[in-house]
Amino acid sequence: GQNIDQPTEMTATEGAIVQINCTYQTSGFNGLFWYQQHAGEAPTFLSYNVLDGLEEKGRFSSFLSRSKGYSYLLLKELQMKDSASYLCALRYNFNKFYFGSGTKLNVKP
Amino acid sequence: DADVTQTPRNRITKTGKRIMLECSQTKGHDRMYWYRQDPGLGLRLIYYSFDVKDINKGEISDGYSVSRQAQAKFSLSLESAIPNQTALYFCATSDFNGRPGANVLTFGAGSRLTVL
Repeated sequence: GQNIDQPTEMTATEGAIVQINCTYQTSGFNGLFWYQQHAGEAPTFLSYNVLDGLEEKGRFSSFLSRSKGYSYLLLKELQMKDSASYLCALRYNFNKFYFGSGTKLNVKP
Repeated sequence: DADVTQTPRNRITKTGKRIMLECSQTKGHDRMYWYRQDPGLGLRLIYYSFDVKDINKGEISDGYSVSRQAQAKFSLSLESAIPNQTALYFCATSDFNGRPGANVLTFGAGSRLTVL
């Protein structure tokens, strides 16, 4: 595999901010993508990074540092509907994508 | 109607049976993929196809075969199913152009396969 690591599970409180990390031991990819997957459903695209830095999309932001080999997804103003799994994926040439094992986020009241 | 349609959605079969999972898309994308999802292992790439004449193996192709019958159709076959092929299978498509943000995967709803 591509050695993409994510924490298995996290818990956070409604209204809070949570950071989900993704680390990898590989190179040659041309983008890092984040997907959200609710239980029993298909993954849906959230955010991506090509260059180092922060990309913001509403309540969701994603950060990439190629030199440090990690990315994170930041979720602000957590809502109960944000309870889902969050998948980190590396995109290689010709649109080959490899996924981490995902982080299950539990949002509690 | 969904952009990416998978059939069947659920299937229970016995060891040794041949199984075909079908995928069709209306997005007009050239690239199609089959992934397998197991608890704790995330999504693993089985096969991918960049056009009708192009088929490529992914991380875990052993025990599987595929057919790209048309631009819009990509089927996955298990010639002789075994219990450790019990999993949730996803078909996905993507466009391909110079803009990385356009090259996201669109997934079907998934096909849950149980091999007894």
